[in-house]
Amino acid sequence: SAVISQKPSRDICQRGTSLTIQCQVDSQVTMMFWYRQQPGQSLTLIATANQGSEATYESGFVIDKFPISRPNLTFSTLTVSNMSPEDSSIYLCSAAGTGQETQYFGPGTRLLVL
Amino acid sequence: KQEVTQIPAALSVPEGENLVLNCSFTDSAIYNLQWFRQDPGKGLTSLLLIQSSQREQTSGRLNASLDKSSGRSTLYIAASQPGDSATYLCAVSGTASKLTFGTGTRLQVTL
Repeated sequence: SAVISQKPSRDICQRGTSLTIQCQVDSQVTMMFWYRQQPGQSLTLIATANQGSEATYESGFVIDKFPISRPNLTFSTLTVSNMSPEDSSIYLCSAAGTGQETQYFGPGTRLLVL
Repeated sequence: KQEVTQIPAALSVPEGENLVLNCSFTDSAIYNLQWFRQDPGKGLTSLLLIQSSQREQTSGRLNASLDKSSGRSTLYIAASQPGDSATYLCAVSGTASKLTFGTGTRLQVTL
């Protein structure tokens, strides 16, 4: 299994600012993903973080708003840019090995935008 | 587009009862199905993974079944305990390991 940590665990931000969330996995993994969980909702996939190349975004999410980096096989960042109150959510990263294996999740970053 | 629905949305049972949570999905072309538990203010804990070729998986008091052709899965919890109180999420895996999550069932086990 993989142990995933995220920083920060929570933050309160002003509208118009940006926040970068870090995700660290304790072992090398093939796949890393970023999800959003809006208040009272289930999880929605934002993008797949690709190592050494641009992330693959799902419909409704764009790179200018959610730039993602993945410099190696254990680390990724998600930036929430030009924030508005609608961005208030829990942001979770996940990781999986090769093939269709169990996907493990980090504890999430709770973001409140005022 | 894959859609995943969970019924019921919320459930309250007395301690000791056996219970079943339901998950349905619209596109049967899945690689696997995973059940997760989410505690308030916490991340997700993986409970069970069922590959598309499997019919069920068991872990302790938990048993998950999968009927891929009809687009259904159930999570059976035996002898429920207050510590089982959480939100239970099912998620199906399509191409490239991307998960589509269900709407969740909020379970409360009372003393």
